[in-house]
Amino acid sequence: GEEVAQTPKHLVRGEGQKAKLYCAPIKGHSYVFWYQQVLKNEFKFLISFQNENVFDETGMPKERFSAKCLPNSPCSLEIQATKLEDSAVYFCASSQSIRRVSTNEKLFFGSGTQLSVL
Amino acid sequence: DAKTTQPNSMESNEEEPVHLPCNHSTISGTDYIHWYRQLPSQGPEYVIHGLTSNVNNRMASLAIAEDRKSSTLILHRATLRDAAVYYCILSKGGGADGLTFGKGTHLIIQP
Repeated sequence: GEEVAQTPKHLVRGEGQKAKLYCAPIKGHSYVFWYQQVLKNEFKFLISFQNENVFDETGMPKERFSAKCLPNSPCSLEIQATKLEDSAVYFCASSQSIRRVSTNEKLFFGSGTQLSVL
Repeated sequence: DAKTTQPNSMESNEEEPVHLPCNHSTISGTDYIHWYRQLPSQGPEYVIHGLTSNVNNRMASLAIAEDRKSSTLILHRATLRDAAVYYCILSKGGGADGLTFGKGTHLIIQP
């Protein structure tokens, strides 16, 4: 597709329940990134993929969070046993490459998934 | 990682130019300067980026100081649709980072 598609737009979970978020990157983009925006303006990088391989997972919480990008499937971010503090907007982005030296390598973001943990 | 400093918020009038400053005094020689903006209830979108020379595109202009320790994003004629949070971000050309967002500048446009 021509845009990064994130589903669902909104997700409500009770504390302790599982949450799964999906992201379809732009066709032809090799890199996928997940960000968490907890408060307005503050982004936290979680994880990135190069195709189906984890590229950088330094931002991923060690427990409860996992992510995958499998061939011919949307990428996914899963949170086991959600906590109140996981309430945030989760953004997915994709890019053709990571060199960031030309306009073709900019990040394209989806509209986000608003996760509310009650 | 080199950090950026931006004002928390700025206000401007519709149809006037807007100059959004960014300080990055610890920038290294290989860092590119990127600007993204986030409109209300949307994901960030790319605005412009540069290395040393000033850059222009259909959205904005980027003026980079000669010593590269600061830069200014210029919106030539602001519209209400330009009201957003603007992020100035440094990224190493050829690096592996997914861009580190700071707190950005909340731009308010008055009609």
